Amino acid sequence: EAQVTQNPRYLITVTGKKLTVTCSQNMNHEYMSWYRQDPGLGLRQIYYSMNVEVTDKGDVPEGYKVSRKEKRNFPLILESPSPNQTSLYFCASSPDVGTGQDTEAFFGQGTRLTVV
Amino acid sequence: AQSVTQPDIHITVSEGASLELRCNYSYGATPYLFWYVQSPGQGLQLLLKYFSGDTLVQGIKGFEAEFKRSQSSFNLRKPSVHWSDAAEYFCAVGAGYNFNKFYFGSGTKLNVKP
Repeated sequence: EAQVTQNPRYLITVTGKKLTVTCSQNMNHEYMSWYRQDPGLGLRQIYYSMNVEVTDKGDVPEGYKVSRKEKRNFPLILESPSPNQTSLYFCASSPDVGTGQDTEAFFGQGTRLTVV
Repeated sequence: AQSVTQPDIHITVSEGASLELRCNYSYGATPYLFWYVQSPGQGLQLLLKYFSGDTLVQGIKGFEAEFKRSQSSFNLRKPSVHWSDAAEYFCAVGAGYNFNKFYFGSGTKLNVKP
């Protein structure tokens, strides 16, 4: 089954304790990204990756890191989490298609992070 | 700059009534447009998408959307709402390299009255 898998689904942590949220996709997609969802703000892109070893900042990258060592995995790293990073996080992947071609983003189930 | 506006935060409709969720976008070129639905505690599921061609697109679960370039709109419609349609709906525009960067609206929460 084609899917994007995030782990963990729920996480409560304390301020300053480094954490990693994993994301894996089995569709051989080139493009992967991380979003955070906050009430009234929709989804905002944190980081994205167009292929292995190619990553770039999205709209809200502060306080986050990512890496893309393998095509299927795109972990999100919070080196020193703070309470304002309490949010619902989604990983997404999509194929690299030419302009004018069919595409869509496939989303994981989400990770609800609480930083106290 | 790209942006997506969903002017209705909450909408309540009676079961069996028709539904229209509004979406306006700002994008310099021909947009890729999407509607996603999020049920409580779930990820986002694609309802429908528009790239080119016929401006009325059909999606899953009986939904359709119409692209109107002159109004920069991509409104979602359903002729008869079911209680299971209660969810949050997000409009999105695909931009950037090969349209892989998605800009989302703030969402519209749909409640369905029995």
